[in-house]
Amino acid sequence: DVKVTQSSRYLVKRTGEKVFLECVQDMDHENMFWYRQDPGLGLRLIYFSYDVKMKEKGDIPEGYSVSREKKERFSLILESASTNQTSMYLCASSLRQGARRETQYFGPGTRLLVL
Amino acid sequence: GEDVEQSLFLSVREGDSSVINCTYTDSSSTYLYWYKQEPGAGLQLLTYIFSNMDMKQDQRLTVLLNKKDKHLSLRIADTQTGDSAIYFCAGGIYNQGGKLIFGQGTELSVKP
Repeated sequence: DVKVTQSSRYLVKRTGEKVFLECVQDMDHENMFWYRQDPGLGLRLIYFSYDVKMKEKGDIPEGYSVSREKKERFSLILESASTNQTSMYLCASSLRQGARRETQYFGPGTRLLVL
Repeated sequence: GEDVEQSLFLSVREGDSSVINCTYTDSSSTYLYWYKQEPGAGLQLLTYIFSNMDMKQDQRLTVLLNKKDKHLSLRIADTQTGDSAIYFCAGGIYNQGGKLIFGQGTELSVKP
């Protein structure tokens, strides 16, 4: 079974702090994704990566950056946290090639509160 | 761009069938997906359908795909209280490196 883990389930930070959210997958997937989930808005893609050291902006990249130094690990960085970044953050991974390459597998999510 | 729409809420009685609907705009998706999210958890892949199929059945779940109307539905037979969750439909974007576009999610409430 694919396993995607996220470093924290709940996180409370103060405005202006730098925040790191970590995601690790154990199935050698090339693609990794960061989403945020807000009520009534569904999932919105922040950034994704299709290979080590590669990254692409998603729909809402402003205020975020990412890092992918190793294939299994994809980090989301909030350079200076703001209250409007309070949200549920979900990480996902998928294969790059093959018949099931679009199927994404999700971590349990990190609920971030910025005060 | 691609858009995926779902109604936000559905309430059913235990034992009834639930039907969750989804419409999409991009007909080039290879697969269309249904994910389930239980409270406080991540998304769990529930089922998927290949775009050249009309129907897929998997135990209590039936997925129907109407390509002409760009309409996808998920039917849950004999709905149980444990089925209470948010259900997301999603479609791939052709040639976009594995990106999926998700609907807003339908919150299913099952009353005893």
